[in-house]
Amino acid sequence: AQTVTQSQPEMSVQEAETVTLSCTYDTSENNYYLFWYKQPPSRQMILVIRQEAYKQQNATENRFSVNFQKAAKSFSLKISDSQLGDTAMYFCAFNQGGSEKLVFGKGTKLTVNP
Amino acid sequence: EAQVTQNPRYLITVTGKKLTVTCSQNMNHEYMSWYRQDPGLGLRQIYYSMNVEVTDKGDVPEGYKVSRKEKRNFPLILESPSPNQTSLYFCASSLTRGTAKNIQYFGAGTRLSVL
Repeated sequence: AQTVTQSQPEMSVQEAETVTLSCTYDTSENNYYLFWYKQPPSRQMILVIRQEAYKQQNATENRFSVNFQKAAKSFSLKISDSQLGDTAMYFCAFNQGGSEKLVFGKGTKLTVNP
Repeated sequence: EAQVTQNPRYLITVTGKKLTVTCSQNMNHEYMSWYRQDPGLGLRQIYYSMNVEVTDKGDVPEGYKVSRKEKRNFPLILESPSPNQTSLYFCASSLTRGTAKNIQYFGAGTRLSVL
């Protein structure tokens, strides 16, 4: 079974700085998708970024980018120019191609300090 | 507006009193799923549905039931709630084909407390 590991339960960063959240996963498949979801204090689950495993290029969405290392099974999220509104729980998730199921990590609580 | 709507947002109940949490999506998504979120455990899948009248167990299905009589609705039923079902519940939906497949859209969550 696929597993997703987020090794940093909590992190903090100063406003305007850059922070990287780690995620590793375990799978024997070649076709899969990886996601980062953000959960602010409102509890809403918001998709931040999606990466398709067959794509070499790292996905980016404005200040959010990933470092996808397929051989190392690593999928870290970099947040540049951190803003107070980035304070949230961040979940890494894995989806095996051909299945709709999302497997989540346990989350990293990020606090952006003024 | 495209969305997944869950009701109620908050619910306090007592052990053994049957309850239903509703979930509705307006995006014509085939796939729908229920998750529970507990501190330190992330989100775990309870049940899912690939389409109308097609449902299956996720990782933590004990004590829950679902139905999918219409494409847009996927209610979660707790026939006899127990305190260990106190949790934050999310409904999600996604397409199963096309470029946006498996991007799951989540409802706002239901905070359930069973006393």
